[in-house]
Amino acid sequence: EDQVTQSPEALRLQEGESSSLNCSYTVSGLRGLFWYRQDPGKGPEFLFTLYSAGEEKEKERLKATLTKKESFLHITAPKPEDSATYLCAVGGVAAGNKLTFGGGTRVLVKP
Amino acid sequence: DSGVTQTPKHLITATGQRVTLRCSPRSGDLSVYWYQQSLDQGLQFLIQYYNGEERAKGNILERFSAQQFPDLHSELNLSSLELGDSALYFCASSQGQGISETQYFGPGTRLLVL
Repeated sequence: EDQVTQSPEALRLQEGESSSLNCSYTVSGLRGLFWYRQDPGKGPEFLFTLYSAGEEKEKERLKATLTKKESFLHITAPKPEDSATYLCAVGGVAAGNKLTFGGGTRVLVKP
Repeated sequence: DSGVTQTPKHLITATGQRVTLRCSPRSGDLSVYWYQQSLDQGLQFLIQYYNGEERAKGNILERFSAQQFPDLHSELNLSSLELGDSALYFCASSQGQGISETQYFGPGTRLLVL
């Protein structure tokens, strides 16, 4: 069964203080690793899809990287508006069309 | 705005009742997925439909059922509701049916069972 573990569970940052979120996964035949941002009471907002080890994607202050066992979401010089829960999900061959989500990392950026 | 719409936004009902949640996918998307998000369980996949046919099933209870109509909108029916069914229910859509497709989520329906 696919498994996704995100760490830390929560992260408090000062504005401008860069950090990284971790997503460790176990999957049989990775078909895609997805990062989403979720604000309280709202639907997950798509950020990135990574398909193979070594792949990197960037969007504004966010950069996602992928290895064979984990993915990192780097937040560079965060602003208060980057405060949200960041979710990681994997899709693997064995799980059919089922995405498995991690528990998320709650990020709070203080001004 | 992802382009996925869900109605209603909020639903309050009593135990034992039945409710229907509705989802319209993004224009051009053929797959619809349903998820449940509760505080203790995180985001859990329930079921997927592609072009009107069931494609994948997750941890969906027998009391729950879904369908996708010819116009591609989908409905999730929850019956014999229990207190533990209180949660956020999300619909997502993607162009194709494969697991490598990016899923775009709607704003969700918050269900409260009293």
